[in-house]
Amino acid sequence: QQQVKQSPQSLIVQKGGISIINCAYENTAFDYFPWYQQFPGKGPALLIAIRPDVSEKKEGRFTISFNKSAKQFSLHIMDSQPGDSATYFCAASIGGYQKVTFGTGTKLQVIP
Amino acid sequence: DVKVTQSSRYLVKRTGEKVFLECVQDMDHENMFWYRQDPGLGLRLIYFSYDVKMKEKGDIPEGYSVSREKKERFSLILESASTNQTSMYLCASSPMGGKDEKLLFGSGTQLSVL
Repeated sequence: QQQVKQSPQSLIVQKGGISIINCAYENTAFDYFPWYQQFPGKGPALLIAIRPDVSEKKEGRFTISFNKSAKQFSLHIMDSQPGDSATYFCAASIGGYQKVTFGTGTKLQVIP
Repeated sequence: DVKVTQSSRYLVKRTGEKVFLECVQDMDHENMFWYRQDPGLGLRLIYFSYDVKMKEKGDIPEGYSVSREKKERFSLILESASTNQTSMYLCASSPMGGKDEKLLFGSGTQLSVL
């Protein structure tokens, strides 16, 4: 049972474009929604996270949009760069730091 | 530089062998986790531990066991390896509480069971 559904599975974006990755969750008890970025040969690393009391969080070129009523959240990467090429995972947890449930991942390729 | 270290980057084992995957963290974190990563399935939690000698099953514990005898070390054990356990295994740690709510991952162990 996939508690966090992520789409698309892969994404190709031109340099300078906007990358958008979407996630949906089922468990309304989730109260922490992080995004992780993984480069080849490395473990995932926290990129940005949001709690459901806000609808948007921005850090540099990365923005999380959160829709609590629809149980959906998304990652927007503005002005996408080739260095952003990586696999992105959305995730959700209760409490923030135990038993994080991950989405299936999106492989992003930013082409020059 | 704080880190999570997994003992092997690549491992090849035979079906039926007993396999140990080791993970060490140097951040004095209470929580430690084992995930497996498979294409199209994302990261799935196998087991986690929130204290020495404590363990809890994750979403896919079948065929695995764990050991945490010291705070910094968390071992994943495949009692009798099978081909469907060929995967990337990721260890992670996190503190109990506090503002820094993130998992810190190791670089992973790619296990092939032949």
